[in-house]
Amino acid sequence: NAGVTQTPKFRVLKTGQSMTLLCAQDMNHEYMYWYRQDPGMGLRLIHYSVGEGTTAKGEVPDGYNVSRLKKQNFLLGLESAAPSQTSVYFCASSSPRGMGNTIYFGEGSWLTVV
Amino acid sequence: EDQVTQSPEALRLQEGESSSLNCSYTVSGLRGLFWYRQDPGKGPEFLFTLYSAGEEKEKERLKATLTKKESFLHITAPKPEDSATYLCAVQAGMEYGNKLVFGAGTILRVKS
Repeated sequence: NAGVTQTPKFRVLKTGQSMTLLCAQDMNHEYMYWYRQDPGMGLRLIHYSVGEGTTAKGEVPDGYNVSRLKKQNFLLGLESAAPSQTSVYFCASSSPRGMGNTIYFGEGSWLTVV
Repeated sequence: EDQVTQSPEALRLQEGESSSLNCSYTVSGLRGLFWYRQDPGKGPEFLFTLYSAGEEKEKERLKATLTKKESFLHITAPKPEDSATYLCAVQAGMEYGNKLVFGAGTILRVKS
């Protein structure tokens, strides 16, 4: 069972470079999310999507863009990377049905900006 | 603003030494409180969802409980394989999308 798959797993960028993190889920979930995790700060929501073609800002959206062209994919872009964007990025997905639905996470993407 | 605070930040236990992790929250309209386990280099793995005060759920050596202001994750007779970071998160409000607000986590180390 693949679940939520993120690529790449590791990446080193120079300041000012751009890149895209790819997320794919095979659970037919409507909702998808991008979180970042930093030491001592917990997971923080960057952007999310409630369906194909829709995106919305989360808690820390500055410096990032996202796209949801297909239901199963959610892309996170960094247009001009900054050292402050060094972090671990997690993609997640969930179903909208009912209350308190479980969010399933990918394995993470480690990004270092030098 | 929704907030989640976990304590302690780190906990060291001997194998078999039972203890509890705390998750206190301030939220408007709790829709669900989640516990996740995270191993080093991995993504969070779902453990439990609690919906209302008084609710309890168990899985092997873990038991999660919920009050109106906090949740506890009780670990009974832990084993070294229980070592991980335990994350608490809440879903709240009426905003569209099942967004989670996370605490910083408790790092648990169980020594044999």
